[in-house]
This record gives sequence, C-alpha cells and structure tokens, in this order.
Amino acid sequence: GESVGLHLPTLSVQEGDNSIINCAYSNSASDYFIWYKQESGKGPQFIIDIRSNMDKRQGQRVTVLLNKTVKHLSLQIAATQPGDSAVYFCAENSRKDPNAGGTSYGKLTFGQGTILTVHP
Amino acid sequence: DGGITQSPKYLFRKEGQNVTLSCEQNLNHDAMYWYRQDPGQGLRLIYYSQIVNDFQKGDIAEGYSVSREKKESFPLTVTSAQKNPTAFYLCASSMNWGGGTDTQYFGPGTRLTVL
Repeated sequence: GESVGLHLPTLSVQEGDNSIINCAYSNSASDYFIWYKQESGKGPQFIIDIRSNMDKRQGQRVTVLLNKTVKHLSLQIAATQPGDSAVYFCAENSRKDPNAGGTSYGKLTFGQGTILTVHP
Repeated sequence: DGGITQSPKYLFRKEGQNVTLSCEQNLNHDAMYWYRQDPGQGLRLIYYSQIVNDFQKGDIAEGYSVSREKKESFPLTVTSAQKNPTAFYLCASSMNWGGGTDTQYFGPGTRLTVL
C-alpha cells in the first residue's frame, strides 16, 4: 500500500546563488551538531560539524551557524552548484552523562531533512 | 563512503524469510550503528554497538537482530517478525561512543525490498 511520509521542506535555487538550510532542535542538552548531505540512493556524507561552545564554523564553501538561545542551526552554502543538489540533514548529539540522568548519551538524533535543488 | 562497505546494494526477500545485511569498516572505529530510512523521513536507529561483543537496542529494534563478534563487522539480520521491512538500511561507525570524536560516517546503504 501507499506509505504515508512527511513532505520534506524544499529549497530551490539558481546556480551561483547562496543557499541557507535551516534546522531547529529541541534538546537543550545537545552540544554537538553535524550536517550531512545525502544524494539519491547513497549514504549520508559528512559536511561539517560544530560544538556548542562555538556559534559559527566555516568550511570550504559551507558555513554552519548555531544559535543556542533559540535552538536553531543553519547551513549556508556559497555559490551553490548543481552537484550540491541533495537532501541535507542536521543531527544533534547530547553528551549528558546517563549517570546524571541523561538518556541520549552518545546517540545522534536526525532531523527530517531538506531537499535542495539547484537549477543551472 | 569512507572505509565502510555494505553488501549487497539491493536485496529482495520473500515474506517469511530472514535476511542478513553485511557491514564492514576498516577505520578502526569502536562504535557501529544500524539505521533504517523510509521515503521522506529521517534516519531511525535500529541497533548500536559501543564496542566489540556489546550491542544495544535503538529506537526500532523489534524484528531485527545483530552481532558484534569482530571490531570491523556489524551484521544486521532482518527477521520474519519485522512487519514492514522494505526500506533503505544504513550502517555507520564512529571512533568511539560519546567521547568527543563521535562523528558518524555512513556506508552506501542496502535497499531491501520484500516481495
């Protein structure tokens, strides 16, 4: 039968534009965040990470911004190219010690993903 | 995909059969993970292993089983008890468990279809 899935957010941009993909998280104990890129039929590929003691980190053509106050994470891609077309996932990890009451120690929690389409 | 391999890439199974998905890594990582991905959804954790000879249930372990007899290998068996096994299965590994270097790296995935 037909599977009922969530409709992923989508972002369509022109080649050469900058792209901004957003992610909200709910766990205030999350202290490590990762962005992954997943092309169709492939496994997720690590892009960039950031720890909670930082609010910005830059890589090659990518920048991750972290706003802990509003629990928001964003991925900025400069000069977007057709090869950037993919689904982008954010993931969060809490290192809260389970002995102190934490329950998600060491486990990544993934967002639903955003589909980025780049038009030539 | 780094040093993580999954096989086969595509797998077809008849209802009532058990199947085993292979995952091997040569990254010398202690921790390994299995995820399930359904269309339009994020990744859901099936099982994880912090170290060899140890594994723990994830969020959706029912109908699945794993073993971790070797550091580099973490096979997943999808049993006949799994009610809706058709999905894309992803294996991942990380250097250790929650130790500050826990970025997970993924394999290429196995697409399982139940006929």
